[in-house]
Amino acid sequence: SAVISQKPSRDICQRGTSLTIQCQVDSQVTMMFWYRQQPGQSLTLIATANQGSEATYESGFVIDKFPISRPNLTFSTLTVSNMSPEDSSIYLCSVDNGATEAFFGQGTRLTVV
Amino acid sequence: GENVEQHPSTLSVQEGDSAVIKCTYSDSASNYFPWYKQELGKRPQLIIDIRSNVGEKKDQRIAVTLNKTAKHFSLHITETQPEDSAVYFCAASRGGATNKLIFGTGTLLAVQP
Repeated sequence: SAVISQKPSRDICQRGTSLTIQCQVDSQVTMMFWYRQQPGQSLTLIATANQGSEATYESGFVIDKFPISRPNLTFSTLTVSNMSPEDSSIYLCSVDNGATEAFFGQGTRLTVV
Repeated sequence: GENVEQHPSTLSVQEGDSAVIKCTYSDSASNYFPWYKQELGKRPQLIIDIRSNVGEKKDQRIAVTLNKTAKHFSLHITETQPEDSAVYFCAASRGGATNKLIFGTGTLLAVQP
C-alpha cells in the first residue's frame, strides 16, 4: 500500500491569504488527485494532478483559485488562493497503487477566518 | 459526467442487525465501485470494492452487490457492531482504482449497543 504524508494537517488562515498543501508519497504513483470535503459533506474531486503538465480541473474548480503542481511521480501541491470562509474544508490528496486501490492522505483541515 | 446518488443519508440499527446502503450511478461506462468508511476526523478507508465483471463480492461481514443493468450497487453489513458506526461513502469510476472517483453523498451509520 502507498504511504501518503500530507502537510499541514490543519491550519487557520486569514481571509485573502493563500495556503499551499503538500502531498508526499513513499513510492512513485501514476495518478494523484485532490479532493475537497466540506463540513459534513462528501468528497468532491477538485482536479487530477498530472506529472509534467497542467492539472485537469473538474467543473466548478479553476486553476487561478486552486493552482496545482506535480513536479515528479511522488509529490504534489495544492494551493488554495485568496481564501474566504467558504473555503473552510478538509482537503485530501489521493493516489492509486497501480491497479487495485485508491489511498487517501490524512487530510488538511483548513479554517478560514 | 458521472452522478452517484446514495441512500439513506442516515441509518440507525441495533447491534447484531444488518445494514444496507444503496447507490445508483448514471454513467454506464463506470466499471469500478468502491466503498469507503470514514470515522470521525479520519481519512476514508477502503472496505470493499467491486468491478463491473462481477455481480457480488463478500468479505466476512461485508458484501457488495452490483446490478449493471439497473446501474445500482449496494453495501451489506451483517451482524453489525458498535465499531461499524461511521460514515460510509460509495463511489464510481470509469477506469478502475487508477482513475478519478465520483463519490456518493454518504450514509451516517449508527449501531446502537
